[in-house]
Amino acid sequence: NAGVTQTPKFQVLKTGQSMTLQCAQDMNHNSMYWYRQDPGMGLRLIYYSASEGTTDKGEVPNGYNVSRLNKREFSLRLESAAPSQTSVYFCASSGQPLSSYEQYFGPGTRLTVT
Amino acid sequence: DQQVKQNSPSLSVQEGRISILNCDYTNSMFDYFLWYKKYPAEGPTFLISISSIKDKNEDGRFTVFLNKSAKHLSLHIVPSQPGDSAVYFCAASSAGRDNYGQNFVFGPGTRLSVLP
Repeated sequence: NAGVTQTPKFQVLKTGQSMTLQCAQDMNHNSMYWYRQDPGMGLRLIYYSASEGTTDKGEVPNGYNVSRLNKREFSLRLESAAPSQTSVYFCASSGQPLSSYEQYFGPGTRLTVT
Repeated sequence: DQQVKQNSPSLSVQEGRISILNCDYTNSMFDYFLWYKKYPAEGPTFLISISSIKDKNEDGRFTVFLNKSAKHLSLHIVPSQPGDSAVYFCAASSAGRDNYGQNFVFGPGTRLSVLP
């Protein structure tokens, strides 16, 4: 089991460029999440998908879009990158709603927007 | 305003001694709490959790204590080992009240250094 995988590991973008961060899990989890982590702050939820076919906004959704492609994959898209989106992005997944609260995290994507 | 606070950005402890990491929260609706450990260049990994119906949960060297009246929880690591050196995040959720129960609010983390 690879757990939760993310690509790419590192990315540098210029302001205004777009990109998609990919995430996949092989644990048959229903729920998936995208977080960002900034220095001195905890992880902040961008978007989540409670189950295949549904997505919802988290705490900081502005400037991002997501796609739950299938049960395994959940992608995060930056349509027009801004320096404020420089951060480390983590994808996570968890089991059935209301039965397993632990979230399993990927290794992260370090994004720099210049 | 941060709903989950970890007021100590860093903590140093001698190997073999007890490490105590603290977490305070402001939202009285929170009823489920987790601790995660994070090594550099890796994602956070789940360590231990506690529900608000308990005041203590133990797993090997790790114990979490919850004081609901003070809105305070702490993680005790005994004995501390050099491999415990990492950033520790506290997270809270109103699991019993949300539709999905999995929208956690994370604290900013405490960097623990265990010295040999």
